[in-house]
Amino acid sequence: AQRVTQPEKLLSVFKGAPVELKCNYSYSGSPELFWYVQYSRQRLQLLLRHISRESIKGFTADLNKGETSFHLKKPFAQEEDSAMYYCALSGKTGGGNKLTFGTGTQLKVEL
Amino acid sequence: DTGVSQDPRHKITKRGQNVTFRCDPISEHNRLYWYRQTLGQGPEFLTYFQNEAQLEKSRLLSDRFSAERPKGSFSTLEIQRTEQGDSAMYLCASGSGGGGDEQFFGPGTRLTVL
Repeated sequence: AQRVTQPEKLLSVFKGAPVELKCNYSYSGSPELFWYVQYSRQRLQLLLRHISRESIKGFTADLNKGETSFHLKKPFAQEEDSAMYYCALSGKTGGGNKLTFGTGTQLKVEL
Repeated sequence: DTGVSQDPRHKITKRGQNVTFRCDPISEHNRLYWYRQTLGQGPEFLTYFQNEAQLEKSRLLSDRFSAERPKGSFSTLEIQRTEQGDSAMYLCASGSGGGGDEQFFGPGTRLTVL
């Protein structure tokens, strides 16, 4: 079975402070990991995926297979980063890529 | 194309009634997914279509739930004899496939069962 754990429901940081949103997973195969973000009154959207190894809006995430983690990091938080963040794992199913989501972490960036 | 659309955005119904939701994916996407999200939880997978074929259904999808994608374009999700526990946000997503397949989500349909 596949599972994604996000231990923090709420993370509050000051503007300019570093941010780390934690994500741990369990999966028997080779995982594909994603971070999705939902800004207030907007739909869920992809932030980044591990296979791209890219930085989006200053965020990065490294897949650590030894620790089964995919933590999301940003060195300096901005007010516009306030949102709900979901870590997700893609498991192949009948040729598709159904997503298993964590429970999400609400990031609040305070001035 | 403005992305994935869902209709209606909100639905309030009485217990025991049937409801149907519609999802219009991004036109060139052959994959379509339905998820359900309850308060304080992340989205949970319900079912997946590739073109018109329904290739997987979650055990969350009881006999009261049925989904179709008759022409490989839009999809419908019907819930028969609704129960209060069906109250949730129902999300649709579409994708084009391939490795690291990005799923594009619709705005969701919020169902409230009284």
